[in-house]
Amino acid sequence: AQSVSQHNHHVILSEAASLELGCNYSYGGTVNLFWYVQYPGQHLQLLLKYFSGDPLVKGIKGFEAEFIKSKFSFNLRKPSVQWSDTAEYFCAVIVSGNTGKLIFGQGTTLQVKP
Amino acid sequence: DVKVTQSSRYLVKRTGEKVFLECVQDMDHENMFWYRQDPGLGLRLIYFSYDVKMKEKGDIPEGYSVSREKKERFSLILESASTNQTSMYLCASKRISNQPQHFGDGTRLSIL
Repeated sequence: AQSVSQHNHHVILSEAASLELGCNYSYGGTVNLFWYVQYPGQHLQLLLKYFSGDPLVKGIKGFEAEFIKSKFSFNLRKPSVQWSDTAEYFCAVIVSGNTGKLIFGQGTTLQVKP
Repeated sequence: DVKVTQSSRYLVKRTGEKVFLECVQDMDHENMFWYRQDPGLGLRLIYFSYDVKMKEKGDIPEGYSVSREKKERFSLILESASTNQTSMYLCASKRISNQPQHFGDGTRLSIL
């Protein structure tokens, strides 16, 4: 069965530190990839998505992610985090031929210390 | 801007009760979804719907049913609530293509 794995469950950083959150998926075919963010008390919001083309995608709020097909990975990065980036981050995948169902990772809680 | 509205932010019910969670979207989306979100488990799909009166089981449908009588509304039903159904429930909708899902604010349901 297809699955998505996020390696870090809880990350604590100081402001201005660089961020990289890992995401790996298990499926050999075509995938569409997403990162969602959930700020405290708010609904899930789309950070960025990858469908095709340039494997380095840029999203909102300075986030970017790189799709590496050979590694089945879609890691999220940000060069310098802010206190307002404190949130839970979810990687998700739609598998080609799937009905549009998203398969989510377990989530990573990011805490940024001011 | 897409709006997905869940009827309640917080809900407290008793074991054995029949519970209805309502979700409405205003963008004429074909697909709608119900998830539950639990710490350390991420989001798990309960049921989804392609269109009116159509429904498919997700990964954890046991103990739940759904209803989609109108395109804009997708209801999740807990037939006989149990304490292990205490969770955050999220509704989402999207167009029929592989576009991102749009989420509601969630309903935090406690079963006592």
